[in-house]
Amino acid sequence: GAGVSQSPSNKVTEKGKDVELRCDPISGHTALYWYRQSLGQGLEFLIYFQGNSAPDKSGLPSDRFSAERTGGSVSTLTIQRTQQEDSAVYLCASSLRGDEKLFFGSGTQLSVL
Amino acid sequence: AQSVTQPDIHITVSEGASLELRCNYSYGATPYLFWYVQSPGQGLQLLLKYFSGDTLVQGIKGFEAEFKRSQSSFNLRKPSVHWSDAAEYFCAVGAPGGFKTIFGAGTRLFVKA
Repeated sequence: GAGVSQSPSNKVTEKGKDVELRCDPISGHTALYWYRQSLGQGLEFLIYFQGNSAPDKSGLPSDRFSAERTGGSVSTLTIQRTQQEDSAVYLCASSLRGDEKLFFGSGTQLSVL
Repeated sequence: AQSVTQPDIHITVSEGASLELRCNYSYGATPYLFWYVQSPGQGLQLLLKYFSGDTLVQGIKGFEAEFKRSQSSFNLRKPSVHWSDAAEYFCAVGAPGGFKTIFGAGTRLFVKA
């Protein structure tokens, strides 16, 4: 497709379970971001991949969160042992270089019961 | 590391009135600056961006923003607000060279008839 694709669009899980969120960026975009948007909160930076450089993981809130990007394209954000405070919309964005216009996906609404 | 502050959590303006949303940034050099809008049920859309040159930039939907280096500000303005402008507005700061883009907490705009 022409845009950033995220799946699933909605995920309901039980506390303590692991979840995987997927992001398929725009073809050719070297930069990929994950952000988290909680109710009433802004966009919280989580992690940033830029080309072949080591990812900037400075925004990951705990070691339960991890992300990888395979082949410079698809990315997976994994949350282990989910907690209720992890409930939020997880947004993925990509851009040509990372410092330019970001193209956002529609997000994954995660609900931890 | 860059940072961005949006001092106003929410603002209410009357339809037809002028609008100014504040944004202050912190970065050691001239940053890349952006304003994004998130309408209810919609994804994030770029309104305008500043990279260099003319400090007054024009965007879509009649919005403009002015970069003021001395005040470290990038305020968003619109001369006459329409009801359809009700949304959440995010200021963001990036940096040349492929550094990550950081968002502010957002300002929610309410438009009253």
